[in-house]
Amino acid sequence: QVTLKESGPGILQPSQTLSLTCTFSGFSLSTYGMGVGWIRQPSGKGLEWLANIWWDDDKYYNPSLKNRLTISKDTSNNQAFLKITNVDTADTATYYCARFNNSYVMDAWGQGASVTVSS
Amino acid sequence: DIQMTQSPASLSASLGETVTIQCQASEDIYSGLAWYQQKPGKSPQLLIYGASSLQDGVPSRFSGSGSGTQYSLKISSMQTEDEGVYFCQQGLKYPLTFGSGTKLEIK
Repeated sequence: QVTLKESGPGILQPSQTLSLTCTFSGFSLSTYGMGVGWIRQPSGKGLEWLANIWWDDDKYYNPSLKNRLTISKDTSNNQAFLKITNVDTADTATYYCARFNNSYVMDAWGQGASVTVSS
Repeated sequence: DIQMTQSPASLSASLGETVTIQCQASEDIYSGLAWYQQKPGKSPQLLIYGASSLQDGVPSRFSGSGSGTQYSLKISSMQTEDEGVYFCQQGLKYPLTFGSGTKLEIK
C-alpha cells in the first residue's frame, strides 16, 4: 500500500523560507521510474504543480516560481523535501506531495499540509 | 506553457444521469491527459490516465476519451458519491498544468 504524508510549519512570516517534508511508504525513490512531486492548492482554488524529483535525481521546477524552489530527497529514509524561499501571502495554500510512477500521472497523494503566510 | 481549459465550471446532475466534462488543451497533448476527482476536504484521486485508461479501483461508470486537443470525462450514471471537483491535467510537457476544475453536484 502506497502512502504519503506531508509535514510543514503551519504558519510562517513573509520573507521566510518554507520547508516541507513528504514521508512515504510502499515504494522507493531508488526504484527505476519512481518520482515524487509537490502540488499546491489555495483554499477554494485550483491545483498548481510545483516540482518533481525522480529516482535518478532528475529535477523539474515550475518556472512561474522562478528560482524560489528547491526539491531534494533522502532515499534511505523515504522522504522528499521542498523549500520555497522568500514566501509571501500568495504562497498560502494546502501543499500536497504525490507519487509519479513511470509517467506524468500522480497515482497517489498525501493528505496535504496547510501553510499560512501571515505577518 | 500548455493551457488546459475545462468546461463547464460547475454543473448539477440527477442520480442516474450521464455527465460529461470537457477539457481542451492549447496544443496537441497526444493523449497525455489524466483526470482527478477531489471530494471536499480531501486530496485529489486519480481516475483516468492516458486519456482513457481507468485507474485500478475506479468504478466502471467513469470513462475518458479524446485525442489531440479535446478530451472528455464521462460518468455514465451519476451517484451521490460522485459529488466533488474534477480536474484534468496534461503530462506532455513541463510545467505540468491542470484545468481550473469542474464542480459537480447532485441536483
